[in-house]
This record gives sequence, structure tokens and C-alpha cells, in this order.
Amino acid sequence: GAGVSQSPSNKVTEKGKDVELRCDPISGHTALYWYRQSLGQGLEFLIYFQGNSAPDKSGLPSDRFSAERTGGSVSTLTIQRTQQEDSAVYLCASSFGGRGTDTQYFGPGTRLTVL
Amino acid sequence: QQQVKQSPQSLIVQKGGISIINCAYENTAFDYFPWYQQFPGKGPALLIAIRPDVSEKKEGRFTISFNKSAKQFSLHIMDSQPGDSATYFCAASGGAPGGGNKLTFGTGTQLKVEL
Repeated sequence: GAGVSQSPSNKVTEKGKDVELRCDPISGHTALYWYRQSLGQGLEFLIYFQGNSAPDKSGLPSDRFSAERTGGSVSTLTIQRTQQEDSAVYLCASSFGGRGTDTQYFGPGTRLTVL
Repeated sequence: QQQVKQSPQSLIVQKGGISIINCAYENTAFDYFPWYQQFPGKGPALLIAIRPDVSEKKEGRFTISFNKSAKQFSLHIMDSQPGDSATYFCAASGGAPGGGNKLTFGTGTQLKVEL
């Protein structure tokens, strides 16, 4: 039943603080993606998980960004020493597999504001 | 480098009219072209998708036209309704070195359908 869920829905933090964003994918979906949506950059890919492995981390903008996935399910995106340019909506998507035609289902996103 | 270019940025259409949104891509490794619809405060949701082996795909009022030689594809919304008012994103995927189906998005089109 349930779709992709993300928490928190909104996060306000101060510059320099660390934040953790959580994604609960659809049950049974092996592929999980993180994207970032911002006014200046549009929708950008960050990282792709297949199971607990991350074969594509090419979109992570700096080493302040990291992500992990445990039990082939929940994923956490961590941003260390947040900067104002990190303010954006962080979207998580999951799909049944990682094939080209597997539909990605998006969560509602976490809106991050860095003051 | 913007690999998927989308136009127009915004579009106003009268109820019952046809909405047309255009996209062009550069990466010839792309082999999957979905369109996503996004309402305010929600994550994007898949609307319709096409593979390059066909030139057109229709689902209800929504049609994708695909021109492989020109590397262009477009979304047509027939009999546009006020409920279609949303932001539409074209996307493309394929050829990712790490596998998976990471999406490269266009910049989005804000559609408003007026009564």
C-alpha cells in the first residue's frame, strides 16, 4: 500500500549544523534514488542505491553529502556542515528494480532551509 | 551542461485547448523518456513515458511524440482541464555507468489551464 515516505517534511537548520533526511521506499523496491530540487538548479540526481550498495554517487555535490541504505529499505541522506546553498527540497524515489523502464515513485520531499 | 532542454518555461491554455511542451536532449545514450507531473507540495508523479523505438505513445488525453533523429520529444495534452494545472518535467535516462535509471530532468513547465 503506502507510497514513498520522507521525514521530516520540513527542516530548518543553522549554517554549519549537520542534518539527516530519511526515506522509506515502497516495500519490495530494490532501487532507491535521491534527487534535489532547487530554484536555481531544477531537479538534480544525487545518488542511486541498488539494495544497500550505491553504484552511482556521481551527483553528490561535495564530500559534505553522504547517504546510506540499510536492510535494503530505509535510506538516510546526511549533509554535514550545512551551507545556505544546500537549501532545497530533497526528494527520494524508489523503483522495483534499476532497469531503464522501471517507474520511479517519488516521495513528497523534505524541504531544507539553511539559515 | 544542461542535457535536457525544456520549453516553454510557462504556458497558459484555455480549457479544452491543447497544451504542448517541448524537450530536446543531447546524450544519444538516453533510451527512456518519461514525463512527470508535479503539484505544489507534492513529489513528481509519472504521467507517461516512451522508448525511442516508437515515434508516438498515447494514453488518454496525453500523447508523447518522439523524433529520434532530431533528438526531440514533446508532450501534448488534449482537451486541457483546470485540474491539469501543474508543473511538467520531461526527463531522460540511459547509459549510466553505474547502472540504474537515474533521471536527467528538464527545467520544468508551469501549465495553467484557465476556464
